Amino acid sequence: QVQLVQSGAEVKKPGASVKVSCKASGYTFTSYYMHWVRQAPGQGLEWMGIINPSGGSTSYAQKFQGRVTMTRDTSTSTVYMELSSLRSEDTAVYYCARGDYGDYFSLGYWGQGTLVTVSS
Amino acid sequence: SYELTQPPSVSVSPGQTARITCSGDALPKQYAYWYQQKPGQAPVLVIYKDSERPSGIPERFSGSSSGTTVTLTISGVQAEDEADYYCQSADSSGHVVFGGGTKLTVL
Repeated sequence: QVQLVQSGAEVKKPGASVKVSCKASGYTFTSYYMHWVRQAPGQGLEWMGIINPSGGSTSYAQKFQGRVTMTRDTSTSTVYMELSSLRSEDTAVYYCARGDYGDYFSLGYWGQGTLVTVSS
Repeated sequence: SYELTQPPSVSVSPGQTARITCSGDALPKQYAYWYQQKPGQAPVLVIYKDSERPSGIPERFSGSSSGTTVTLTISGVQAEDEADYYCQSADSSGHVVFGGGTKLTVL
């Protein structure tokens, strides 16, 4: 069965960087794009970007351009999302999510989420 | 930037029909998707490609599209349906866009 298992909670200081991992299993890793979505406390869902695990190509939401980097390691079926220059507004739960039903916009599988807290 | 507009809240009594709308200029050209999110949990896909229902999602969940508005309909609402619901689509760059979310309250 498809599983997306994310790394644990992080606490970071303003200005630092955070790297969240998402380990995939139960399917062919390179066959499905992976999205990153975040959710600030009490707020809605916000799309950050997408990575193609096959070739490593990425596309980021304009809001995060220059601050986010998505990478992958095909040997461990893991994708990573690194966000730099953290500020308090980046405090959120970060999710990885995979497309489904032959359509990479159908986010049918989600990781459990990783809480990133930015605080001095 | 492209926006999807949802009502902040919808309230219904058990057994009634809940309708949650989502408006966006590109919806006639792009599919819409709907997610249910309960507190402390990851979102769950309940409708994809406007009106398709994933396996395991109850038949009371349905989706429709008309012009620049898509609608999630929950027929015979149950207490367990109380949750936040988000619509999702894509902009002209192929980037994912979410609506602001609608809190469904079952009275």
